[in-house]
Parts: sequence; structure tokens; C-alpha cells
Amino acid sequence: EIVMTQSPATLSVSPGERATLSCRASQSVSTALAWYQHKPGQAPRLLIYDASTRATGIPVRFSGSGSGTQFFLTISSLQSEDFAIYYCQRYNTWPSWTFGQGTKVEI
Amino acid sequence: QVQLQEWGAGLLKPSETLSLTCAVYGESLSGSYWSWIRQPPGKRLEWIGEINHSGNTNYNPSLKSRVTISVDTSTNQFSLKLTSVTAADTAVYYCARYASGKWFFDLWGRGTLVTVAS
Repeated sequence: EIVMTQSPATLSVSPGERATLSCRASQSVSTALAWYQHKPGQAPRLLIYDASTRATGIPVRFSGSGSGTQFFLTISSLQSEDFAIYYCQRYNTWPSWTFGQGTKVEI
Repeated sequence: QVQLQEWGAGLLKPSETLSLTCAVYGESLSGSYWSWIRQPPGKRLEWIGEINHSGNTNYNPSLKSRVTISVDTSTNQFSLKLTSVTAADTAVYYCARYASGKWFFDLWGRGTLVTVAS
């Protein structure tokens, strides 16, 4: 099974700062990688798919990069509403899709 | 605006059967594949399985022997049954929609907590 590892577990940043989150795959997933944002009590929200494509309605301050085994989610200038947990998900091969353990972005 | 809402029993005893339903509001479920995903406390998200409007299913091999996902197009709902639950099945359970032609999730429900305890 392909294991997705996110780092850091917690990222402490201030509003207006840049945040970079990492997601590493135990073997290549090409660009079959998505990022989600999750706030407590809310439905997770798709941010990025195919490693670098922003989902509909996602602000341009969110960007994704990477391929193969190393991926990054960058938030260029953190807004107060961006404090949340972020997950990556690989979807390159079946039988089951796997997620990273999450990175919590906090003040 | 399309929305998903999960519901079902929130407290189960070991060996009982977990039963959850997800209602799709705002669109017909006939156009997509739908999934169940769970997150045990302190652990990562785990994909459980998927179904389309025709009832075609695929399951996570680690759960396949205990899982059944079904669909009811007349009510625009799909359901999850997980048999012989243990404390390890305690989790927040989410229903989600696959993006068209893709295997990531572009719409999620808020999730429902299921606790297994004696």
C-alpha cells in the first residue's frame, strides 16, 4: 500500500505569512494528488487536484506543486479563515485511495 | 447548491451492525460515483468503498468482508452497513462525491460520529 506522509504535523504561522505544507508518497503517484481543507464541524473542502489544479472557487493564494513522491501545498498569505487541517490524498491506483495524516495550520 | 447529509445510530455495542445513510440534495445521484470515508479519533482518513446509481460497488479490501454499500435512487440516498463492529470502528463517517471521471472527492458531508462501546 502506498503510504502518504505529511509534514509538519502542526504549522504555527501568523496571518499574512506564507505557509508551505509537504506531502510525501512512499512510491510515485505521478500527479494523482489532491489537497483538502477541513475545519471542525464542517465538511472537508477540495482545494487542489492533479497536484496543481485549483478546484472551482478556491482562492489563488492556494497553490499546489510537485510530482512523483513529493508534493507541496502553499498558502501565499494566510488569512484568518485558512486556519484548519489540511490533508493530501493520492488516487493513482486502485484498490483503495489513501490519505495523509494531516497538517494542522494554527496561529 | 448540492449538499450531502449523513445520519444513523451514533452509539453501538460491539458485534452490532453499523448503519448509516447519506442523502444527496440538489442533484440526482445518478450522475456520479459516491463514497464512504471514515476517520477514527487521532488517525488518518480511510476510504471504505464506493457505489454508483446502478449499484456497482467497490470496497476497501481491508473492510470488504464486513461492508455493504447500497443505493436507493427513488430517495436519492445511499447507505453503508458495517457488520460485527468493534471499538476500532469508532470514527467520524463521511459520505462524499467523486469528481466527474476522477478519483478524488469534490463534495463531502459534514460527517457523523459513530462510537462503539460496551
